[in-house]
Amino acid sequence: DTGVSQNPRHKITKRGQNVTFRCDPISEHNRLYWYRQTLGQGPEFLTYFQNEAQLEKSRLLSDRFSAERPKGSFSTLEIQRTEQGDSAMYLCASSSKTGLSYEQYFGPGTRLTVT
Amino acid sequence: DQQVKQNSPSLSVQEGRISILNCDYTNSMFDYFLWYKKYPAEGPTFLISISSIKDKNEDGRFTVFLNKSAKHLSLHIVPSQPGDSAVYFCAAPRGGSQGNLIFGKGTKLSVKP
Repeated sequence: DTGVSQNPRHKITKRGQNVTFRCDPISEHNRLYWYRQTLGQGPEFLTYFQNEAQLEKSRLLSDRFSAERPKGSFSTLEIQRTEQGDSAMYLCASSSKTGLSYEQYFGPGTRLTVT
Repeated sequence: DQQVKQNSPSLSVQEGRISILNCDYTNSMFDYFLWYKKYPAEGPTFLISISSIKDKNEDGRFTVFLNKSAKHLSLHIVPSQPGDSAVYFCAAPRGGSQGNLIFGKGTKLSVKP
C-alpha cells in the first residue's frame, strides 16, 4: 500500500491558463474525493466519485472545473481559465466502502499558484 | 454556515503535559467524527474517530471525548510530545452514502520541549 499520490506537487501558472492535476488513490479504494484548502481554512469538499461515477459536486466547483475518473482508477481535476482566486492546495482523498467507517486517506496535495 | 467549529486557532503546551483540542458542531444529525493531523506541506493524516453511540474512544496517547448534548468533542493528547506539533482538524461526514467530510478551520498545536 503506497498511499494516495498526487502530481504535480506544485504548479505555478498565469491567469487564464488551464491546469490539470492527477490523483492516484489507494488501489483497493473505490471512493475518491477532491478537496480544496486555502490558508487558515480546513479542506473544503469539491467533488466525489464512487468507482467511475461522479456522484456529487459542490457549489464551489464552478463550470471552469471538471473532474474525471476513467475506469474508476486515477482521477484528474482540470481548471480552465484559471483565476487568482483558484490559488489553493488541492487535496485528493480515497476511502473504501466498509461499514460505518468514514475514514478518508489524503494525498500530499497539489499547491496551485495563479499569478 | 460553519457546521464544525474549532474556535482556538492555536494552542501551546509543554512537553509531557496534556493537550486538549476542542471542537463544536451545530448539526445534530452528525453521527461520526474524525480528527486529522496535518504537518506543513503534507496532506491531512487520519488520527482517531468516534461514533455518536460512544462518548469516548482511546488510541494510545490520543483520546477523543464526545458530549452529544453539548454538541462538543475534544481530543486529549497525553503526554504531549514535540512531534505532535501540527495543525489538528476536527471533521464530520456530511451524511448519506457519500460521506464527504466537513472540516473545522483547525487548531495549530505547538509542543515545546
